Amino acid sequence: GAVVSQHPSRVICKSGTSVKIECRSLDFQATTMFWYRQFPKQSLMLMATSNEGSKATYEQGVEKDKFLINHASLTLSTLTVTSAHPEDSSFYICSARSASGGRNTEAFFGQGTRLTVV
Amino acid sequence: DAKTTQPPSMDCAEGRAANLPCNHSTISGNEYVYWYRQIHSQGPQYIIHGLKNNETNEMASLIITEDRKSSTLILPHATLRDTAVYYCIVRQYNFNKFYFGSGTKLNVKP
Repeated sequence: GAVVSQHPSRVICKSGTSVKIECRSLDFQATTMFWYRQFPKQSLMLMATSNEGSKATYEQGVEKDKFLINHASLTLSTLTVTSAHPEDSSFYICSARSASGGRNTEAFFGQGTRLTVV
Repeated sequence: DAKTTQPPSMDCAEGRAANLPCNHSTISGNEYVYWYRQIHSQGPQYIIHGLKNNETNEMASLIITEDRKSSTLILPHATLRDTAVYYCIVRQYNFNKFYFGSGTKLNVKP
């Protein structure tokens, strides 16, 4: 299947700082990428949909000013956690679907980024 | 999207078939059934998807009942590496997003 790469895989940051996570589709173009968050022993929660060249759309209850999303190209989306706090510590996962695929194609997921805020 | 119901956990002996059920009784005609799995601390991995016909690939088989209200994912010969959380997702044909339920934790035992 297609490859989606996230960087970094792990990051530790101090409370109050910002952290940027990158999501790249390596062998296909993605007009839409998705960002999820997963707390321990819980399922994935969709945070936002990242649209190439336009603003992201956020799920209800997700603060758009705290989780900044940029989708500047067809192969790269970034999630910036601003003014991070310990409660933002989580596993962040991105996914992407091919721009050339049909509506019923699968989504491919990155390997995830473990964020720890201390 | 239609809601799915899965058992929280299942055990399977190594080498035997693992049959993971999923109920989606409110599924509508334009909704597909997708299966993903997540091995600990990794991103989800696509397994298979279908609309109404049974599907098979190198990883698994998907059996969808005639009324489409339930489905079963079959791993024909489970290995220890198949231990993971398996998610059944129902998604509309023209809808972009995947919403995850709580999934089934499959424990493959030697």
